[in-house]
Amino acid sequence: GENVGLHLPTLSVQEGDNSIINCAYSNSASDYFIWYKQESGKGPQFIIDIRSNMDKRQGQRVTVLLNKTVKHLSLQIAATQPGDSAVYFCAEIYNDMRFGAGTRLTVKP
Amino acid sequence: EAEVAQSPRYKITEKSQAVAFWCDPISGHATLYWYRQILGQGPELLVQFQDESVVDDSQLPKDRFSAERLKGVDSTLKIQPAELGDSAMYLCASSPAFKNTEAFFGQGTRLTVV
Repeated sequence: GENVGLHLPTLSVQEGDNSIINCAYSNSASDYFIWYKQESGKGPQFIIDIRSNMDKRQGQRVTVLLNKTVKHLSLQIAATQPGDSAVYFCAEIYNDMRFGAGTRLTVKP
Repeated sequence: EAEVAQSPRYKITEKSQAVAFWCDPISGHATLYWYRQILGQGPELLVQFQDESVVDDSQLPKDRFSAERLKGVDSTLKIQPAELGDSAMYLCASSPAFKNTEAFFGQGTRLTVV
């Protein structure tokens, strides 16, 4: 079946730098996407979402970009902080919600 | 702040035994999901409910797993008999509607089968 994948399994950045986490999705019919953050031993936490009729959405320190042409999502985190260290998942929604493998973000002080 | 409640947080069971997990979604949320997450991997959808009806259980190993949401509110996921490979985090999520709405996760149940 179709599933969501990620380009990089790990990402290490310096505190204060910007982070970019990428995600490729397979189902061109998916019309809603969510980025989740998951800390060790906890459930995924909603960060930001975007609908397929948009190509960019901004939140507090986070921006999601959607490129439907190449079926690609990215999550940009500005001024990355130690508290941002976690695993990040993108989820695509069509008839259900499917996740990829995730990217582990490590922030170095 | 409303949240998805799951219990127990941790469960250790012997293989071949039965085990059950409980989820109470956010009040008013019609859609409920159960996911299994193996360490180091993304959540894998097991079953999706819309109110009391199953809308997707194509990934649920039905020979040993069952799920119900009898009154369209809380839900139970059962495994019988448990196998060593079932050791994982079991996550429940709920959302207000079927599509295009944010889904909220509980803290999960960490299952260890010995």
